[in-house]
Amino acid sequence: NAGVTQTPKFQVLKTGQSMTLQCAQDMNHEYMSWYRQDPGMGLRLIHYSVGAGITDQGEVPNGYNVSRSTTEDFPLRLLSAAPSQTSVYFCASRSLDRAFGYTFGSGTRLTVV
Amino acid sequence: AQKITQTQPGMFVQEKEAVTLDCTYDTSDQSYGLFWYKQPSSGEMIFLIYQGSYDEQNATEGRYSLNFQKARKSANLVISASQLGDSAMYFCAMREGRSGGSYIPTFGRGTSLIVHP
Repeated sequence: NAGVTQTPKFQVLKTGQSMTLQCAQDMNHEYMSWYRQDPGMGLRLIHYSVGAGITDQGEVPNGYNVSRSTTEDFPLRLLSAAPSQTSVYFCASRSLDRAFGYTFGSGTRLTVV
Repeated sequence: AQKITQTQPGMFVQEKEAVTLDCTYDTSDQSYGLFWYKQPSSGEMIFLIYQGSYDEQNATEGRYSLNFQKARKSANLVISASQLGDSAMYFCAMREGRSGGSYIPTFGRGTSLIVHP
């Protein structure tokens, strides 16, 4: 089925470890973004991209890196995980010519111990 | 200052009754849009309804309607005839600026709705 695929669904990391959260979409959407969701805080934007080779920071970018080498993929990298990065991470995409219609992935629940 | 404010952390409603979830927003743009998403306990984000700032009629999608009051800067979600499956977190969100392009939506902190049988 067409949509946004996030892997893994669950992950436990030790403080200081690195990892990459994967996000792929097959709808040819130009816009892709990463959000983190914490209790009582809603969704906060980490990084976003409006096309291959173009990325920019959102509200809470510290501790995260992204790259966009293809239209389909938008991985999120944690270089040195910290307990404050324990959260649920969502990837979302949309076509730039649409006013709305975000498609969200199913989320990655990350715990840093 | 928050751009999207959802003042009700939790709401309870009896099955088959209507419920209103509040959302106020803050923007100086003339062109903007407001969304509501539902997040059930399974975690996925489900798009419910959209209202553009220039739309004169309130948006409706089945049992969902958006009560858009521009002067008050409010965009409340009304769910009619609540069902047990409506129990979920509900997020209000806004995009500012023109409808296409690289707008960045802002989300509120959410309201938890519990529907009692």
